[in-house]
Amino acid sequence: SQQGEEDPQALSIQEGENATMNCSYKTSINNLQWYRQNSGRGLVHLILIRSNEREKHSGRLRVTLDTSKKSSSLLITASRAADTASYFCATDPRNSGNTPLVFGKGTRLSVIA
Amino acid sequence: GAVVSQHPSRVICKSGTSVKIECRSLDFQATTMFWYRQFPKKSLMLMATSNEGSKATYEQGVEKDKFLINHASLTLSTLTVTSAHPEDSSFYICSAPGTSGLRAYNEQFFGPGTRLTVL
Repeated sequence: SQQGEEDPQALSIQEGENATMNCSYKTSINNLQWYRQNSGRGLVHLILIRSNEREKHSGRLRVTLDTSKKSSSLLITASRAADTASYFCATDPRNSGNTPLVFGKGTRLSVIA
Repeated sequence: GAVVSQHPSRVICKSGTSVKIECRSLDFQATTMFWYRQFPKKSLMLMATSNEGSKATYEQGVEKDKFLINHASLTLSTLTVTSAHPEDSSFYICSAPGTSGLRAYNEQFFGPGTRLTVL
């Protein structure tokens, strides 16, 4: 089965609010990545957090990782309409860099202006 | 950053025809590329791993005779959907791991995807 279960599956918020998306995984990992996908487009890499990191920031993005709970969260602060997209967490279970990523089901975020 | 392109971005074909989708790494070499399939509002499902110089590795349930993969060079992998049927309509995305000098710790670079519609 596919690991990386995001919740919520869909999230609708007002512009300016914060959006939090969660991801759980099943196997041990060395890092976890978050990607964004606009409707009908390819994936854009947002941020990678290593297993020895608990929190990481990049602009308006904040990612946390709890390896004891096998979960991660992505927080987008001060959301904008342009943040409307699907967000996926992904892991590389074998951590070789040359193996495919395992994607979660994704969260569809809608930011209403 | 590294760029992966796909061509075509969108294709409509009739049932029974074959469609070829190209995936190119534009400024780096990729001995390995991955092909994913994505249904509307769903996640990416790995179809196969394309290996330059050797046969592709297919995931369970993916018909290798239907989805032909050829890794012709270090910058090009092609996916051919043979005898396409309407249920093959989907969004196909390829990715390539960047070389150690490019990627930030296992980052992969994704193509923009190809929307296939089979009538």
